[in-house]
Amino acid sequence: GDSVTQMEGPVTLSEEAFLTINCTYTATGYPSLFWYVQYPGEGLQLLLKATKADDKGSNKGFEATYRKETTSFHLEKGSVQVSDSAVYFCALESRGGKSTFGDGTTLTVKP
Amino acid sequence: NAGVTQTPKFRVLKTGQSMTLLCAQDMNHEYMYWYRQDPGMGLRLIHYSVGEGTTAKGEVPDGYNVSRLKKQNFLLGLESAAPSQTSVYFCASTDPSKGSDTQYFGPGTRLTVL
Repeated sequence: GDSVTQMEGPVTLSEEAFLTINCTYTATGYPSLFWYVQYPGEGLQLLLKATKADDKGSNKGFEATYRKETTSFHLEKGSVQVSDSAVYFCALESRGGKSTFGDGTTLTVKP
Repeated sequence: NAGVTQTPKFRVLKTGQSMTLLCAQDMNHEYMYWYRQDPGMGLRLIHYSVGEGTTAKGEVPDGYNVSRLKKQNFLLGLESAAPSQTSVYFCASTDPSKGSDTQYFGPGTRLTVL
């Protein structure tokens, strides 16, 4: 079946550091790929997505590129802020409208 | 639009008690989902529904039942709560027929079973 593997956390960075959170997937076909973010005490919300190979999703300074050849969708941000501290989930759209989620990576950004 | 709402936000149960979690969405979405989130285990799908009157099992359905009597509501029931069901429960909705593959989540219900 479909699966998502993302970088284990927690990740701790200083403000303005570069962020990469790795995500690889296994799926049949070419599913849409997502990054969701969960701030403390809240539900998940969509951060960005890409629907086909070589597409780049971007939002709030975050970017991720759909790489079919490496089955990856790594999340990057050039300069993180304290307000980016959250849990980040990589996900793919499975059949039947369901989504498959990674285990989440906790990011803490220190001033 | 309120989006996806969940009630209650918090609940403490004793082993063996029953309860129902309510999820409501005002986006006219066809698909709705119940997940549980446990530390280090990401989100696991409990049950889902692809339309009013339909339900299906997800990855971890045991100990839970669901009903979708109205399109906008999706209820999750625990008939006899167990400590293993202590978790944070999230509801979500989406509608692939409208070209939406993004899931919209509620704020969660934190359940503790003693």
